[in-house]
Amino acid sequence: AQRVTQPEKLLSVFKGAPVELKCNYSYSGSPELFWYVQYSRQRLQLLLRHISRESIKGFTADLNKGETSFHLKKPFAQEEDSAMYYCALGGTGRRALTFGSGTRLQVQP
Amino acid sequence: DAGVIQSPRHEVTEMGQEVTLRCKPISGHDYLFWYRQTMMRGLELLIYFNNNVPIDDSGMPEDRFSAKMPNASFSTLKIQPSEPRDSAVYFCASAASENQPQHFGDGTRLSIL
Repeated sequence: AQRVTQPEKLLSVFKGAPVELKCNYSYSGSPELFWYVQYSRQRLQLLLRHISRESIKGFTADLNKGETSFHLKKPFAQEEDSAMYYCALGGTGRRALTFGSGTRLQVQP
Repeated sequence: DAGVIQSPRHEVTEMGQEVTLRCKPISGHDYLFWYRQTMMRGLELLIYFNNNVPIDDSGMPEDRFSAKMPNASFSTLKIQPSEPRDSAVYFCASAASENQPQHFGDGTRLSIL
């Protein structure tokens, strides 16, 4: 069965501090991982996907198959990064993307 | 492309009434997903379609909920009769294939009084 775990409901940091949003997954096949972001009262937007290996808005995420993790990182948080972040797992089978429960990032001035 | 379009953006109605939420996916996307988002349960997949055919409806909470996709450019999610616990934000998303990124609509904020 597919499962995505985001252990932190809320992460609060000060502006300029490093950020790491944790995501662990459980999946027996070859995983496809995504990070989505939802700003206040807006739609979910794709932030990153692991196969792209790109940096968006200063965020990066590396797939670690040994630790089954896909943590989202940013070296220096900005106030505009405050949002809800969802990790999502894709895989084969009848089920589509499985989303984690989300982590709310608060960046304080 | 205008992206995924949902209507209405907001809906307030009394319990017992029928509610119909609408979604227009991105043209050319073969997959359409309906999600429900609440503070308590987060983002839950309700049902998804591939080429207008429902593939997995195991997330639909009960028989009061139904979803249809009569053609590639339109889907509805219906709740009849509605109850206060159905209050949530309902998102529609579409994707080119099952594991491709899903593109979300703005959502419908539903309040059942």
